[in-house]
Amino acid sequence: DTGVSQDPRHKITKRGQNVTFRCDPISEHNRLYWYRQTLGQGPEFLTYFQNEAQLEKSRLLSDRFSAERPKGSFSTLEIQRTEQGDSAMYLCASSLTGTSVEQYFGPGTRLTVT
Amino acid sequence: TQLLEQSPQFLSIQEGENLTVYCNSSSVFSSLQWYRQEPGEGPVLLVTVVTGGEVKKLKRLTFQFGDARKDSSLHITAAQPGDTGLYLCAGDYGGSQGNLIFGKGTKLSVKP
Repeated sequence: DTGVSQDPRHKITKRGQNVTFRCDPISEHNRLYWYRQTLGQGPEFLTYFQNEAQLEKSRLLSDRFSAERPKGSFSTLEIQRTEQGDSAMYLCASSLTGTSVEQYFGPGTRLTVT
Repeated sequence: TQLLEQSPQFLSIQEGENLTVYCNSSSVFSSLQWYRQEPGEGPVLLVTVVTGGEVKKLKRLTFQFGDARKDSSLHITAAQPGDTGLYLCAGDYGGSQGNLIFGKGTKLSVKP
């Protein structure tokens, strides 16, 4: 399967703990995006990378959130000191520059903060 | 702030019926995408429309982009239970370098 993969698929954590999610994009895609989706809403943009450079961050991305893409391939999204409001589906997508509007999504990581 | 409004929010129909869902904005899109999402999964890209007035067909699904590139519609002919899911439209406003603005979606249920 050469699609976008995300790990883990589900994560349950206690408030105050740190969590880290991983995304592996489609191999030839140089752009990688993170979105967050809560119940009844469409995905909301968090941040994106072109190769290893983080080019844009949403105001939704508080100081507790950090994303990396160290070698321009896979990416990680870390949430520190989780809060119940962080409970959501975290989606990763990838695309090629030039066709960046055609974003291909992974299956998501469902985070539940108790 | 760009907003994408989708209607209706929910739609429940019988197998074999036709339906149309809408996506509207006060801003002009550079392009617009339609996605379908099933519970617990990521959105799956159905189509991208770029040119005002463009019509694209994908089997029983017909997508139309408004002439002014501010609105779009998705028409499904003879709906089947397998069409059940959340239909999302997402707009690219050009200046965003690719991050998409999503509507809240239309939740479609097709009953056999």
